[in-house]
Amino acid sequence: QKEVEQNSGPLSVPEGAIASLNCTYSDRGSQSFFWYRQYSGKSPELIMFIYSNGDKEDGRFTAQLNKASQYVSLLIRDSQPSDSATYLCAGMLYNQGGKLIFGQGTELSVKP
Amino acid sequence: EPEVTQTPSHQVTQMGQEVILRCVPISNHLYFYWYRQILGQKVEFLVSFYNNEISEKSEIFDDQFSVERPDGSNFTLKIRSTKLEDSAMYFCASSDREGEQYFGPGTRLTVT
Repeated sequence: QKEVEQNSGPLSVPEGAIASLNCTYSDRGSQSFFWYRQYSGKSPELIMFIYSNGDKEDGRFTAQLNKASQYVSLLIRDSQPSDSATYLCAGMLYNQGGKLIFGQGTELSVKP
Repeated sequence: EPEVTQTPSHQVTQMGQEVILRCVPISNHLYFYWYRQILGQKVEFLVSFYNNEISEKSEIFDDQFSVERPDGSNFTLKIRSTKLEDSAMYFCASSDREGEQYFGPGTRLTVT
């Protein structure tokens, strides 16, 4: 069974702090990883994607991938109350029609 | 900014009835997907569609489900005989390659 695991949280950080969200996956055939943000009652919104080992930065967001440890993370710098949402990690396997396997999501709360 | 649209936003139907959920993917995208999310649970892959045929489908996507691209813009999901357990948010997504997927706002399906 191919799984993507996340701590469900809630993770609470003060405004301006760094939020660190983590994800592990079970299938070494996983090719690419995606971070989505989902506000309550809304659809997933793509934040970042990462295909290669290492770090990838986009504004306040940094995604990190370690394929040897089967570990993906998302760092949010200078966290804002508007970042409060559930963050979904998703993995994509090679040659499976683009199927995304989602984790259960980590709820982030940024306190003013 | 181009976006995926879905109609209706909320569909209420009786058990055993057929429903069709509609999606208009982003115009230059070639890959289309349906996912569902039961309240409080993970986002689950249903099916992917490319070049007018199904690329991949999950165990959930049984004979009661079908997808169609009836014209150059719409992508539909049909559930032939709805069950109570089909109640969920259904998300359509699209991508220009097997990569980053952009989700629509979703259709909330309630089966009574």
